[in-house]
Amino acid sequence: QVKVVESGGGVVQPGSSLRLSCITSGFEFGGFAMHWVRQAAGKGLEWLAVAKYDGSKEYYADSVKGRFTISRDNSKNTVNLQMDNLRAEDTAIYYCRASGGEGSRHAPYYLDYWGQGALVAVSS
Amino acid sequence: HSALTQPASVSGSPGQSVTISCAATSGDLGTYGLVSWYRQFPGSAPQLIIYQISKRPSGVSPRLSGSKSGNTASLTISGLQADDEADYFCCSYVAEYTWVFGGGTTVTVL
Repeated sequence: QVKVVESGGGVVQPGSSLRLSCITSGFEFGGFAMHWVRQAAGKGLEWLAVAKYDGSKEYYADSVKGRFTISRDNSKNTVNLQMDNLRAEDTAIYYCRASGGEGSRHAPYYLDYWGQGALVAVSS
Repeated sequence: HSALTQPASVSGSPGQSVTISCAATSGDLGTYGLVSWYRQFPGSAPQLIIYQISKRPSGVSPRLSGSKSGNTASLTISGLQADDEADYFCCSYVAEYTWVFGGGTTVTVL
């Protein structure tokens, strides 16, 4: 049974930092690309960052480049998102996603696992 | 990178077909052929329903189909049912390890 569970969300002030964690089980974590995707209330999905299956490369959306850092630990089946200098517009549900296809080690494209999300609210 | 434009909403009566478009505002949506579609019910995580433009994961209804023409991808829901009411998002791989989602479309069954 696949499990993807985010943690670390909360309410923070503008300019502060927060670290989200995602722990997974039930699939070969080290073979999958790991992403963070967010969704503001009533809005669409926004892809934020990806860590390649082996942790050799990370890529970011322009909106978070330089402020957010994705990292993964294949020995613990976890991926983190360090968020610095948070802004009000970063308020959203943050989803952790494991995907096959690009960035994976030959995992099929149709394998795609999401967590239930962690709420981050940035407010003074 | 390309932005992906979807209609905010589409609606149809039970049994009808509806099509949701996903238009790339710049660049070639087909460069990588990696367009996917997600369905999201309120309060739930997105679920992959179409990958690589037109392929369905196991367990996804054959009433859902994907296609692409030029810089526009489309998702068609045939034989519309009440439980098709949800938000639908397209997603495209647009550059090296870079993805973009569309703004989402709410499907309403009349």
